[in-house]
Amino acid sequence: GAVVSQHPSRVICKSGTSVKIECRSLDFQATTMFWYRQFPKQSLMLMATSNEGSKATYEQGVEKDKFLINHASLTLSTLTVTSAHPEDSSFYICSARRDRRDNEQYFGPGTRLTVT
Amino acid sequence: QKEVEQNSGPLSVPEGAIASLNCTYSDRGSQSFFWYRQYSGKSPELIMFIYSNGDKEDGRFTAQLNKASQYVSLLIRDSQPSDSATYLCAVIPVPGTYKYIFGTGTRLKVLA
Repeated sequence: GAVVSQHPSRVICKSGTSVKIECRSLDFQATTMFWYRQFPKQSLMLMATSNEGSKATYEQGVEKDKFLINHASLTLSTLTVTSAHPEDSSFYICSARRDRRDNEQYFGPGTRLTVT
Repeated sequence: QKEVEQNSGPLSVPEGAIASLNCTYSDRGSQSFFWYRQYSGKSPELIMFIYSNGDKEDGRFTAQLNKASQYVSLLIRDSQPSDSATYLCAVIPVPGTYKYIFGTGTRLKVLA
């Protein structure tokens, strides 16, 4: 299999606080992990690509100081939304590549962030 | 700008019929193509991928790729109400980057 977990599944926080989301590959070592954001009735937008032991690569328009990504091991990547604001409320989804030969991405269940 | 386009739907088909979902992409150099299914409030799950021109079958699903015309399609045979979901087309436009560009998705409704 290729199982990816995320924690928490839902989080509500107050404006100005920071939130950390964890993404874990449970039964494989992920060479690369990706972070996406999905607003209601829209498609997934790639935020950043994360490789173990190196700095994340952010997509154009994504603030790297606001969305901190740490890829501490081959099975764990974290996304921290710093100083969250209501416009950051969204569905955050991570994915992972299982193998260097694979192009397929396997998605975690997502984290619903609501900033009040 | 690299784009992937899908008809947003909804596409309604009766139970047991064939559902045909289409996707076009702008970058002629694209080589890897994926279909994902996403239920409301859930994350995408991989249905199948296709890399070569022609058809690829997996159970009730068939992916079709035509690189000359820059489109990829997904056929679902014997559609079931449980197939009702949004179907996302994803493309890797730059080989070796492994980064997807997603289409906006087509919402499929299978009517019992």
